Amino acid sequence: QSVLTQPPSVSAAPGQKVTISCSGSDSNIGNNFVSWFQQLPGTAPKLLIFVDDRRPSGIPDRFSGSKSGTSATLDITGLQTGDEADYYCATWDRSLSAGVFGGGTKLTVL
Amino acid sequence: QVQLVESGGGVVQPGRSLRLSCVASGFTFTSYGIHWVRQAPGKGLEWVAKIYYDDSKTYNGDSVKGRFSISRDNSKNTVYLQMNNLRDEDTAVYYCARGDGQHTLDYWGQGTLVTISS
Repeated sequence: QSVLTQPPSVSAAPGQKVTISCSGSDSNIGNNFVSWFQQLPGTAPKLLIFVDDRRPSGIPDRFSGSKSGTSATLDITGLQTGDEADYYCATWDRSLSAGVFGGGTKLTVL
Repeated sequence: QVQLVESGGGVVQPGRSLRLSCVASGFTFTSYGIHWVRQAPGKGLEWVAKIYYDDSKTYNGDSVKGRFSISRDNSKNTVYLQMNNLRDEDTAVYYCARGDGQHTLDYWGQGTLVTISS
């Protein structure tokens, strides 16, 4: 069981919007920044969002992050078939003194 | 450009040891922490360990505490993951990643596969 809870899968049609949630607690999301990663099959994870809602250079603004309390959200608009991947949230947990990841969400673009 | 290259993976018997290396280039190595993250076949990401930029602190995940240790050699721009008493469940691709003070893992290596098998 992961410390951060994500839905196992989400799906939507091309051009639509999808939201991926990440639920935690005061010891992690509630008091630390959240990152989001995209992992395409057979490749290393790639940073999509950092410090809750900022995009690294080169990441399109179709990807956006937000946080409220002990939950974080990744929104992807204008879905493309190339967005099919696994998505992970991550943060630091101050009670565990350890990094934590969500269990991952598989995005299918129908 | 920022690069992280892992090496040292392979097939090893349960109970044996292995040391992974992560060689960094393209940035000021002594300004960043380095993390190890692993991914078992068909599973999600699992955070393993972290070392501070100045080697002042290290942290390990619960599943590897007492068995794995992380260290760095700033003269070689290299971080190591010493893995002892390996178990079947340690089979995974091991990634190293650059981390900043906000626990942002912004650059990742390509990973090295560790297989524990008798």
